Amino acid sequence: KAGVTQTPRYLIKTRGQQVTLSCSPISGHRSVSWYQQTPGQGLQFLFEYFSETQRNKGNFPGRFSGRQFSNSRSEMNVSTLELGDSALYLCASSLGTGGYEGEAFFGQGTRLTVV
Amino acid sequence: GESVGLHLPTLSVQEGDNSIINCAYSNSASDYFIWYKQESGKGPQFIIDIRSNMDKRQGQRVTVLLNKTVKHLSLQIAATQPGDSAVYFCAENKYGNKLVFGAGTILRVKS
Repeated sequence: KAGVTQTPRYLIKTRGQQVTLSCSPISGHRSVSWYQQTPGQGLQFLFEYFSETQRNKGNFPGRFSGRQFSNSRSEMNVSTLELGDSALYLCASSLGTGGYEGEAFFGQGTRLTVV
Repeated sequence: GESVGLHLPTLSVQEGDNSIINCAYSNSASDYFIWYKQESGKGPQFIIDIRSNMDKRQGQRVTVLLNKTVKHLSLQIAATQPGDSAVYFCAENKYGNKLVFGAGTILRVKS
């Protein structure tokens, strides 16, 4: 059973540009959550998508957005990049039954560097 | 943003000893508390969880203790091995699949 796949693994972007990251969840999982990990703020929840709809949202500016496709694959987009957006972006896959489901499966992340 | 703890302490233990990693949480309304392990270059990996109406739960070589009176969570690892070296995060589940993570603790196992 394939795990959570995130692409690309590494990205270097310039301030002001935008970026799109991709996440393919485990087969059969319908919920995809995104997290930002930085040394200063740790792991912070961005948003969760289920059945192509955003179900939960964290405290990030509107420059951070996402979407989910009918096959449960998800993308997140960051527009007008700032230096502070440099981080490891992680996605987590779970079944998506609605309540707490226990184990969430994380991908290896995309390392974004903004210069 | 939301956070459980702000610092990243380091715990060094000798191989074969028991390890205890602690975490303070802030939200009494959280339903579940979870421990994750993150190795270098990898995403977090689930270790064990505990529901808020429980005090203790055991897994393979790990035990999680929950003290709701002082809002404290701990992870005990028995017979610590070099492969246990990683960053350990506690997390609270507030609703759905949203997790609020603590800052993390570095565990270093000396051989």
